[in-house]
Amino acid sequence: DAKTTQPTSMDCAEGRAANLPCNHSTISGNEYVYWYRQIHSQGPQYIIHGLKNNETNEMASLIITEDRKSSTLILPHATLRDTAVYYCIVRAPQSNFNKFYFGSGTKLNVKP
Amino acid sequence: DAGVIQSPRHEVTEMGQEVTLRCKPISGHDYLFWYRQTMMRGLELLIYFNNNVPIDDSGMPEDRFSAKMPNASFSTLKIQPSEPRDSAVYFCASSFLQTGEQYFGPGTRLTVT
Repeated sequence: DAKTTQPTSMDCAEGRAANLPCNHSTISGNEYVYWYRQIHSQGPQYIIHGLKNNETNEMASLIITEDRKSSTLILPHATLRDTAVYYCIVRAPQSNFNKFYFGSGTKLNVKP
Repeated sequence: DAGVIQSPRHEVTEMGQEVTLRCKPISGHDYLFWYRQTMMRGLELLIYFNNNVPIDDSGMPEDRFSAKMPNASFSTLKIQPSEPRDSAVYFCASSFLQTGEQYFGPGTRLTVT
């Protein structure tokens, strides 16, 4: 599975949109992009995933570039409770889960 | 649904003792995962099961670690004997089919003194 690159940390003002980037320049055609987050002292939480079309759910939106080499997770109105580490992961269906690599993620700090 | 349930939430034990961590996956999920998280190494997959059968245990650090899944609603991760370097947060997760949507439990914080 392709590796991903994310900024170490980002700040966002409460109520503003948080845009978290992820680079996955070596992604293969059948690999999905997944986003998880981990709030301090809790287990990781699934947020959203997509293949090539933009996706939206009640938590966030996922924008994948046309060449699929990067994506952005958007939290439209960040709150203090969105402060967490956000992980971008790529994985092909049916592949071994030992390649579901969380990495270091991006620490999002939402400030009042 | 109650989500993935793990017990105990905290465990403090002395070096050399046996430790057993427990997990109840979400009903209907056919995959179960055990992860370990430390500051140094991040979140690591130890082992995962499909329909109660271990599929990949390549992440299990050594023979002191073992995991079982006797039925679809219960799994254990055992460390015998425990060592201080095993101190970490251990997460259990479950998912349905081969999707990447894993649902994590609250974790067990293990401290070995």
